[in-house]
Amino acid sequence: GAGVSQSPRYKVAKRGQDVALRCDPISGHVSLFWYQQALGQGPEFLTYFQNEAQLDKSGLPSDRFFAERPEGSVSTLKIQRTQQEDSAVYLCASSLAGAWGANVLTFGAGSRLTVL
Amino acid sequence: SQQGEEDPQALSIQEGENATMNCSYKTSINNLQWYRQNSGRGLVHLILIRSNEREKHSGRLRVTLDTSKKSSSLLITASRAADTASYFCATGLGQGGSEKLVFGKGTKLTVNP
Repeated sequence: GAGVSQSPRYKVAKRGQDVALRCDPISGHVSLFWYQQALGQGPEFLTYFQNEAQLDKSGLPSDRFFAERPEGSVSTLKIQRTQQEDSAVYLCASSLAGAWGANVLTFGAGSRLTVL
Repeated sequence: SQQGEEDPQALSIQEGENATMNCSYKTSINNLQWYRQNSGRGLVHLILIRSNEREKHSGRLRVTLDTSKKSSSLLITASRAADTASYFCATGLGQGGSEKLVFGKGTKLTVNP
């Protein structure tokens, strides 16, 4: 596609519900990143894929957070048993670069999650 | 946790003035990038400077990097109202052939017409 597409753009969940956020990166982009951005803050790194391999998941806040990219293109970030502190904008970004290359990121518009 | 810290947190200037934002970071880096975020939108890449470079220009943007002080600055010359946005530095951290970008907290720039 022309850009990074994220869905849904807005999600309201009741505390305890599971949510799934989808990211469709630019076709051919090797690297895919997920970030969490709280209001007025910078993006916090969550996890990173190179093709289908999850190379770094050190930023995932708890075992309630899970990300996958099974075929090396579309990625899903799943949050189980949502808590109020999970409310944030979840940003997905992709990059053409793979190993050893500098990752210049193209971001999607984000998925805003509100947990009531 | 966030690697970079921008300074100042907020900056308000008049159109036509120059805006300078600073970024300090903690660990060794491969490269440093600056991104812009308009309110409610995704981030947009502005410029990348590698760890072996000291200065880089792109249009009205000038970026410097001092690896000995672990700091970078972004200068926007002749600012316009459309430059109003939040600006973030991001450091490229490589581990075993992979690289992740870690962002700072940002500087909120307001350019008054």
